[in-house]
Amino acid sequence: ETGVTQTPRHLVMGMTNKKSLKCEQHLGHNAMYWYKQSAKKPLELMFVYSLEERVENNSVPSRFSPECPNSSHLFLHLHTLQPEDSALYLCASSQVGGRGETQYFGPGTRLLVL
Amino acid sequence: SQQGEEDPQALSIQEGENATMNCSYKTSINNLQWYRQNSGRGLVHLILIRSNEREKHSGRLRVTLDTSKKSSSLLITASRAADTASYFCATGRTGGGADGLTFGKGTHLIIQP
Repeated sequence: ETGVTQTPRHLVMGMTNKKSLKCEQHLGHNAMYWYKQSAKKPLELMFVYSLEERVENNSVPSRFSPECPNSSHLFLHLHTLQPEDSALYLCASSQVGGRGETQYFGPGTRLLVL
Repeated sequence: SQQGEEDPQALSIQEGENATMNCSYKTSINNLQWYRQNSGRGLVHLILIRSNEREKHSGRLRVTLDTSKKSSSLLITASRAADTASYFCATGRTGGGADGLTFGKGTHLIIQP
């Protein structure tokens, strides 16, 4: 257990569906991240939130919409996805300031888009 | 472009042997980190080395960093079956800030009992 939880753990959705992924961190951190891990590709950074503000959007298509209502919660809203969006979506958190570069990852949501 | 590239892509050794994985990167960094991932689950942080450090130890792990060659190595000594996993290096651009990491493709390590 790393102190970061993600729900659901598995998700199957059609291309016309709308769903949301949820991430919660219990570590008192103030930065949160979404990463995408596709088969045979390196982990790709999607979004970075620091102190509840989005500080980085790594050229992610608009069908992925992040939301950070507070420092403990991070959502990824999905709509009209494509089959190539099937992947493991990982959330992470870290503490901004000091020497807090270590990121703590959740177990991921395995997404399949049909 | 991909920042970190691990070498080898796959490694199979006998239990008790040492395992060495290498990572190369392209741009300047503040720190380099190694993570482990078991069977498509979340990543677990192993060790972080800063750009002004050359070597770091943590238990059975030893990490080196050569910024002139833009490379790092991870050594796992006295390997165990539980070390079977994928290992990733990740580079950070800043120190202390909200910094999205850049990962390599990973080395899949198999420890044969």
